[in-house]
Amino acid sequence: RKEVEQDPGPFNVPEGATVAFNCTYSNSASQSFFWYRQDCRKEPKLLMSVYSSGNEDGRFTAQLNRASQYISLLIRDSKLSDSATYLCVVSNNDMRFGAGTRLTVKP
Amino acid sequence: GAVVSQHPSWVICKSGTSVKIECRSLDFQATTMFWYRQFPKQSLMLMATSNEGSKATYEQGVEKDKFLINHASLTLSTLTVTSAHPEDSSFYICSAMGGGLETQYFGPGTRLLVL
Repeated sequence: RKEVEQDPGPFNVPEGATVAFNCTYSNSASQSFFWYRQDCRKEPKLLMSVYSSGNEDGRFTAQLNRASQYISLLIRDSKLSDSATYLCVVSNNDMRFGAGTRLTVKP
Repeated sequence: GAVVSQHPSWVICKSGTSVKIECRSLDFQATTMFWYRQFPKQSLMLMATSNEGSKATYEQGVEKDKFLINHASLTLSTLTVTSAHPEDSSFYICSAMGGGLETQYFGPGTRLLVL
């Protein structure tokens, strides 16, 4: 079993849609969680950290469920510019990246 | 966020050449740096982790004699691809962590094309 698993997608959604990604992790001792975004042919960039109580940054909401060992990212009112690959990252001293979920937002 | 630079951004070289890629943390001290490789339409693959002043720890399947990593200072790590071959053509990305940062910050990557 992979340490961090994500649905690879692709997710193709129309502008304005709400889309959610899930990510599961195997190491119950993991302490820190993040979502990164990677545009085509670019480096990954930190999108947001994920806190136990859940956190929101504009149209983006991240949640953590430690009991079930999964993390989610919700994007509301999708924009064309949200098209990218979203990487789930789990850390317990070592950071482990998921393979990413590809999102395409269409007009 | 923290800034990490990489140089060069593009390299085209002949087979058998050695290629050196630099990764610098510009506004923080990077106690740990990571080197990744990404082939087209594939996920990031961690190659090695290096702590300043120590030998790098390589992931399984990554040849340490082929991919030489040096992390001699808190702001600079280098990756040297020795005797590069066409199958080494890839997108090489470094990231850095340290200075109280809670996560890694990535450099812009280096595209290597070996002819």
